[in-house]
Amino acid sequence: AQKVTQAQTEISVVEKEDVTLDCVYETRDTTYYLFWYKQPPSGELVFLIRRNSFDEQNEISGRYSWNFQKSTSSFNFTITASQVVDSAVYFCALSEAGTDSWGKLQFGAGTQVVVTP
Amino acid sequence: NAGVTQTPKFQVLKTGQSMTLQCAQDMNHNSMYWYRQDPGMGLRLIYYSASEGTTDKGEVPNGYNVSRLNKREFSLRLESAAPSQTSVYFCASRTGSHNSPLHFGNGTRLTVT
Repeated sequence: AQKVTQAQTEISVVEKEDVTLDCVYETRDTTYYLFWYKQPPSGELVFLIRRNSFDEQNEISGRYSWNFQKSTSSFNFTITASQVVDSAVYFCALSEAGTDSWGKLQFGAGTQVVVTP
Repeated sequence: NAGVTQTPKFQVLKTGQSMTLQCAQDMNHNSMYWYRQDPGMGLRLIYYSASEGTTDKGEVPNGYNVSRLNKREFSLRLESAAPSQTSVYFCASRTGSHNSPLHFGNGTRLTVT
């Protein structure tokens, strides 16, 4: 069963527009961790942020912000005032602490963001 | 500091051929992983090694074997390559705690004809 769902396959925006990427996860564990990664056209995978299940504070880092809501099992990512350099595939991932899932980190299918000038 | 190093970067195989993808990390991480990336499928876990001396299957282990040679190295072997194994393969490592992020290698692009 898919544990991390990124329903948006591709989002196209014009530079300076805001873009929000959705991530919905599924887990029975009370302790878990969520991550976002960026994969630019060059192909490498870059870690962006980590959030644990006990910390629902939203986080802002420059033009990036993250909204974690346990009530809806969502960990959404917003890019404010997008730039061409934000064009990439973005992945959401889940790491569970339960015995059956110990050690695994599962990824969503990714959302392709295309920012045009 | 090299981080996670994968070799080779590109490989073309014929159906039925075998090969081993190599991965080494110099961050003293306990856990290592192999993922494959296919269009529209995201990153799917093939095998992982939570600590030296252990290996476990991920979501898509069929057709692959792994060896955790030591703490630094984790190899992925295709015994009899099939066209369905055409993909980009990523090796990754992390400290071993659930809150630690993965550090990825640059990937191996494998084509099986």
